[in-house]
Amino acid sequence: QVQLVQSGAEVKKPGASVKVSCKAFGYTFTSHYMHWVRQAPGQGLEWVAVINCNDGRPMYAQKFQDRVTVTRDTSTNTVYLEVNSLTSEDTANYYCARDHSREETSWWFDPWGQGTLVTVSS
Amino acid sequence: SAELTQDPAVSVALGQTVRITCQGDNLRSFYASWYQQKPGQAPVLVIYDKDNRPSGIPDRFSGSSSGNTASLTVTGAQAEDEADYYCSSRGINDYYWVFGGGTKLTVL
Repeated sequence: QVQLVQSGAEVKKPGASVKVSCKAFGYTFTSHYMHWVRQAPGQGLEWVAVINCNDGRPMYAQKFQDRVTVTRDTSTNTVYLEVNSLTSEDTANYYCARDHSREETSWWFDPWGQGTLVTVSS
Repeated sequence: SAELTQDPAVSVALGQTVRITCQGDNLRSFYASWYQQKPGQAPVLVIYDKDNRPSGIPDRFSGSSSGNTASLTVTGAQAEDEADYYCSSRGINDYYWVFGGGTKLTVL
């Protein structure tokens, strides 16, 4: 059974960094990209980044280019999202989601992790 | 950057049919996928590759696409379909992804 299990909730002060993990089960880890998507309280979904779990190459949303780092560890089938210089606007649920695609015309995310709530507060 | 536009809220009577739409220029090049999100839960894929349903998703959910608009149709809406629905697709000129603002579906 394919499953993504994320690390637990975090509380951070403004200016700090946070690192969230997403461990994959039930499939060949290196065969799929992994996305990160975030959702601020009461708001919609926002795409953050994606990583090629085979070669480790990440791609970032322009908005997060300078503050976010995505890595993966093939020995533990885990993907990491690190966000630096946190502000209150980074308070959100952060989700990982496995990538699927077809013929460079169609992409979808399935399954999703359970989410990790990151709260930034002084 | 590409944007996807959804109506913020839609309502449907129990057992009736409702269509949720998603508009964006990138939908002329790429198919949309659709996600259902209930309060306090992670999103769940309901439609992919324009009109395919993952296993476990009821066949009352269907997808279609025309021009710059993708649609999610719920035929015979049930109380448990009340949720937020998001569309998503790839950006036009580079590898980034976007989501619509979401549509809150209320089943009356």
